[in-house]
Amino acid sequence: NAGVTQTPKFQVLKTGQSMTLQCAQDMNHEYMSWYRQDPGMGLRLIHYSVGAGITDQGEVPNGYNVSRSTTEDFPLRLLSAAPSQTSVYFCASGLGGNTEAFFGQGTRLTVV
Amino acid sequence: DQQVKQNSPSLSVQEGRISILNCDYTNSMFDYFLWYKKYPAEGPTFLISISSIKDKNEDGRFTVFLNKSAKHLSLHIVPSQPGDSAVYFCASAEYGNKLVFGAGTILRVKS
Repeated sequence: NAGVTQTPKFQVLKTGQSMTLQCAQDMNHEYMSWYRQDPGMGLRLIHYSVGAGITDQGEVPNGYNVSRSTTEDFPLRLLSAAPSQTSVYFCASGLGGNTEAFFGQGTRLTVV
Repeated sequence: DQQVKQNSPSLSVQEGRISILNCDYTNSMFDYFLWYKKYPAEGPTFLISISSIKDKNEDGRFTVFLNKSAKHLSLHIVPSQPGDSAVYFCASAEYGNKLVFGAGTILRVKS
């Protein structure tokens, strides 16, 4: 099992550019989510999904879109990158209930 | 809404001694809490969890205590080892593995 795989690991964007952060899991987990981590802060929830075709907003959703067409994949789209979106992004998946979430290695994004 | 607070940004402990990391939360409706460990340039990895039906959960050198009346939990690491040096995050879980994280505590274990 590869677990949760995120690509790319690093990315530099110019303000206004768009891009998609990829996330894939091979554990057949129903629940997937995206978080961002900024210096001195904990991880904050951007968007989450409770299954294929179902997504909802988290604490900091503005500027990001998601879709979940398959159980395995949960891409995060930045439509028009802004310097405030410079952060480390983590994707996670889990079985729900009182169980742990598994995290990917992260994508470090810099918007200049 | 839930807020999770880790009021100690850092903790330094001698190898072999006990490390105690603390966490407070605001909403007692949440009933499942987790601790994650994070090394630089890696994703968080699950360490230990506790459900509100318990007040203690142990896994090897790691023990988590939950005080529901005080809305407080703590992670004890005994004995501490240099490899435990990392950032530790406390998190409160909601439906669907949705997590609310504290800001983290940097643990340094000195040999």
